[in-house]
Amino acid sequence: EDQVTQSPEALRLQEGESSSLNCSYTVSGLRGLFWYRQDPGKGPEFLFTLYSAGEEKEKERLKATLTKKESFLHITAPKPEDSATYLCAVRRSSNTGKLIFGQGTTLQVKP
Amino acid sequence: EPEVTQTPSHQVTQMGQEVILRCVPISNHLYFYWYRQILGQKVEFLVSFYNNEISEKSEIFDDQFSVERPDGSNFTLKIRSTKLEDSAMYFCASSEELAGGGDTQYFGPGTRLTVL
Repeated sequence: EDQVTQSPEALRLQEGESSSLNCSYTVSGLRGLFWYRQDPGKGPEFLFTLYSAGEEKEKERLKATLTKKESFLHITAPKPEDSATYLCAVRRSSNTGKLIFGQGTTLQVKP
Repeated sequence: EPEVTQTPSHQVTQMGQEVILRCVPISNHLYFYWYRQILGQKVEFLVSFYNNEISEKSEIFDDQFSVERPDGSNFTLKIRSTKLEDSAMYFCASSEELAGGGDTQYFGPGTRLTVL
């Protein structure tokens, strides 16, 4: 069965303290892995898509990487405005686009 | 920047009543989705829709649920007889295609459904 597990569930950082979020997945035929940011009471906001092992994407203080079993979201020198829940989702090789989400990592960055 | 919109933002209904949640996907997108998120839980897939047909539906999407694209811009989710356990945030999403960079799904802000 397809599964996505994110760790840790919650992470508290001081402003400027870099860290990484993990997303482990088991899926039959990975078509793509997606990272989203979700603020409380809002919809998921797209960050990155990764399609193959070894691929990396960067945006401001965020960098996403992908291996055959997991993905990491590295946050460099975070700021309080980076506080949010970060969601990982996978899409298997199918023609329907269905995304399977992890439970998310809630990040709090203190000034 | 194009975005997915949803109405209403909050819907309160009595158990057993019908509700219709509305979405306007991004205009050049061809694939449409509904997801839901019960408070404190994962985002769960409900249904995908393409070319006026359901492509895939989850076990949650039983006979009480239906989707429709009544015109060229709207995409709706209907729950015929709501239950307490239907209380959740419902998100609409759309994507341009299913391949390459166009398969990114963009989500709307959600409709919070409260069933009393």
